[in-house]
Amino acid sequence: DGGITQSPKYLFRKEGQNVTLSCEQNLNHDAMYWYRQDPGQGLRLIYYSQIVNDFQKGDIAEGYSVSREKKESFPLTVTSAQKNPTAFYLCASTLGTSQSEKLFFGSGTQLSVL
Amino acid sequence: QQQVKQSPQSLIVQKGGISIINCAYENTAFDYFPWYQQFPGKGPALLIAIRPDVSEKKEGRFTISFNKSAKQFSLHIMDSQPGDSATYFCAASENGGGNKLTFGTGTQLKVEL
Repeated sequence: DGGITQSPKYLFRKEGQNVTLSCEQNLNHDAMYWYRQDPGQGLRLIYYSQIVNDFQKGDIAEGYSVSREKKESFPLTVTSAQKNPTAFYLCASTLGTSQSEKLFFGSGTQLSVL
Repeated sequence: QQQVKQSPQSLIVQKGGISIINCAYENTAFDYFPWYQQFPGKGPALLIAIRPDVSEKKEGRFTISFNKSAKQFSLHIMDSQPGDSATYFCAASENGGGNKLTFGTGTQLKVEL
């Protein structure tokens, strides 16, 4: 089965702690994305990567970091600098980088603060 | 700054009825408008998309209507079914912006028997 796997499904963060959300795809897609979803606010882009070893900030990158060392993996770290991390985090990928490429999403990670 | 405004926030429709969700945008450089459907606990999935060179696009029971002069577009779900109960997001992107989408705030649709 081809798709995007996000783990864990639920994650709890303590104050001052960094946590890392995993995203793996076996679709051989070039581009990968991280979105944050809050109730009533839609999806907001955190970071995206169009090729390995390169990534760009999205609209709300502060307090987050990413890496893209392998084509199939795009982990997101929520740092202690992110003061309001509670949200549903979605990873997505696209085959290419043209405008009309369909986004394929994972099933998300719900992050909560203890 | 919310560049894509979506309404209503929630919607209840009877089975067999028509569901209508509206979006308005401000950025005139937007020229690609997809709709995504999300079921609880899942990621969104592309439903249908339109470019401004056409005023309407239909795929099965789903239709997008587009009004370029008003900078508005809407999703119509004909013969709504309980299985259509989900959250719907409109989105928009600029040519040259790759596939960086700006999403609306979402509409939670419930179709009742």
